[in-house]
Amino acid sequence: AQKVTQAQTEISVVEKEDVTLDCVYETRDTTYYLFWYKQPPSGELVFLIRRNSFDEQNEISGRYSWNFQKSTSSFNFTITASQVVDSAVYFCARRDNNDMRFGAGTRLTVKP
Amino acid sequence: KAGVTQTPRYLIKTRGQQVTLSCSPISGHRSVSWYQQTPGQGLQFLFEYFSETQRNKGNFPGRFSGRQFSNSRSEMNVSTLELGDSALYLCASRDTTATNEKLFFGSGTQLSVL
Repeated sequence: AQKVTQAQTEISVVEKEDVTLDCVYETRDTTYYLFWYKQPPSGELVFLIRRNSFDEQNEISGRYSWNFQKSTSSFNFTITASQVVDSAVYFCARRDNNDMRFGAGTRLTVKP
Repeated sequence: KAGVTQTPRYLIKTRGQQVTLSCSPISGHRSVSWYQQTPGQGLQFLFEYFSETQRNKGNFPGRFSGRQFSNSRSEMNVSTLELGDSALYLCASRDTTATNEKLFFGSGTQLSVL
């Protein structure tokens, strides 16, 4: 099975710290999409970002930034100056021709 | 627009029974996919439907099935329930005319099998 690996099960930081969530994916396809989703305590997954396999440009959106490196099959997510409201489970996902596969998730706790 | 609606929100069944979960996608979205979320296995893809046809299927036994209606609403059925089927079942819809491949998730159905 072509996996998506989020090696960090849980991360705890203090407010205003920067934090990076790691994601490594596998796929046999040349065309694929990568995503990050946030699942707050309320339970509903919220889309954060999508990148396609042909676009390796890094992206910044406010305090969020994403680093896509095809050479290492990684798609890491950084939150700058974390806030308590960032506390959630974050999922990395990969969609290719076969399926949509999610990582196991990283639970981020931001303490005041 | 209304979001993705899943019913029921909670369900309690006993082993051996069967269950049907319902999902109404966002208006205009023709793709509906289903996921199982458990603490041990995480979020796992079950299947995806588009225009009443199953497009992709995850690695689940045949007890898990689904269908999609002409109005894009989808149902998921699990027969001969097992204790291990206890999970949060999430439905997501997608606008296939959009390029962002963004999934919109419902709040899920929490299934408990006793």
